[in-house]
Amino acid sequence: EVQLVESGGGLVQPGGSLRLSCAASGFTFSDYRMHWVRQAPGKGLVWVSRINTDGSSTTYADSVKGRFTISRDNAKNTLYLQVNSLRAEDTAVYYCARGVGNYGDWFDPWGQGTLVTVSS
Amino acid sequence: SYDLTQPPSVSVSPGQTARITCSGDPLAKQFAYWYQQKPGQAPVLVIYKDTGRPSGIPERFSGSTSGTTVTLTISGVQAEDEADYYCQSADNSGTSDVVFGGGTKLTVL
Repeated sequence: EVQLVESGGGLVQPGGSLRLSCAASGFTFSDYRMHWVRQAPGKGLVWVSRINTDGSSTTYADSVKGRFTISRDNAKNTLYLQVNSLRAEDTAVYYCARGVGNYGDWFDPWGQGTLVTVSS
Repeated sequence: SYDLTQPPSVSVSPGQTARITCSGDPLAKQFAYWYQQKPGQAPVLVIYKDTGRPSGIPERFSGSTSGTTVTLTISGVQAEDEADYYCQSADNSGTSDVVFGGGTKLTVL
């Protein structure tokens, strides 16, 4: 069974940092682009970042560029998102998702999400 | 970047047909994808490449496209279909931003 399990969320003060992880199983992780998507409480889905199969290419939404870093460890079948300089508006559930298709830009499946709360 | 526009809400009675639209200029050239999200759960892909239905998704879910508008149709709506539905698109470069619509709350009356 293809499965993605996120961890690492929590309560953090403004300006703080966290490292989110996404453990993949049930498929050849190194064959797929991976993404992070977030959802603020009561709001819609917002794409955050993508990484290619070997980690050599990354892309970010403007809202997180320079503060967030996506990476992956194919030996550990794990995707990461380092989130720094956190702001209240970064409060959201963060989902990892497997990229599907020729360009890996649609998502199936998604993990269950990890909640990041930025508050003093 | 660009916007994908969805109606905030759609309401139908059980057994009726629900249609949820998603509009945006890039949809004339790019594929659209649809996700279903039930409260407290992760999104699930229900339509890919405008009209494709993943395995395990009921046949009552279908997609169509016309110009700059794509439509998710749920025929014979069931109570379990009540959820938020999001459209999504991306160009074929693999490097530009991925865009989601604002989401549509489907209410089964």
